[in-house]
Amino acid sequence: AQRVTQPEKLLSVFKGAPVELKCNYSYSGSPELFWYVQYSRQRLQLLLRHISRESIKGFTADLNKGETSFHLKKPFAQEEDSAMYYCALSGSSASKIIFGSGTRLSIRP
Amino acid sequence: ETGVTQTPRHLVMGMTNKKSLKCEQHLGHNAMYWYKQSAKKPLELMFVYSLEERVENNSVPSRFSPECPNSSHLFLHLHTLQPEDSALYLCASSQTSGGANEQFFGPGTRLTVL
Repeated sequence: AQRVTQPEKLLSVFKGAPVELKCNYSYSGSPELFWYVQYSRQRLQLLLRHISRESIKGFTADLNKGETSFHLKKPFAQEEDSAMYYCALSGSSASKIIFGSGTRLSIRP
Repeated sequence: ETGVTQTPRHLVMGMTNKKSLKCEQHLGHNAMYWYKQSAKKPLELMFVYSLEERVENNSVPSRFSPECPNSSHLFLHLHTLQPEDSALYLCASSQTSGGANEQFFGPGTRLTVL
């Protein structure tokens, strides 16, 4: 069965500290993994996807098929990174996408 | 307005009412989605439409009835809802319904069922 697990509901770090938001998945085929973000009073929007291998706003995420993980990382947190982050999973040819329960990231000054 | 719009933004209804949520996308996309976001559950996919054809129905109760008259508009008709249906209902669109496509979300409709 397809499943996305984000074990932390809330993650609080100081400004300038490294950030890692955890995401583990379960999927039998070839997965497509995404991170979506929702800033306060804004819409849910795509942050990055594993196939593009980009760094967006300083965030990166590497797909580790051995550990079935897609953790989101940033070396130095900024206050504007405070938001709700959702990990999502889909199959390359599937229309269905599954979201994790989300992690609220709070950056303390 | 650009992007994905949803109306109304807030809706309060009784259990015997019939109401509809509307979504419109101005992005030229071919796929549209309805999601339910509850306080204590992950974002749940409800329906997927591709080129006005329903391609996914995620075991949603029949009191929720979607309609996609064209690729730019999506409705969610509500009938005899329950208080536990109170949630934020999000609409999204993507270029196609393939899993790798970025989804663009609307602002949501906050529904309260009394």
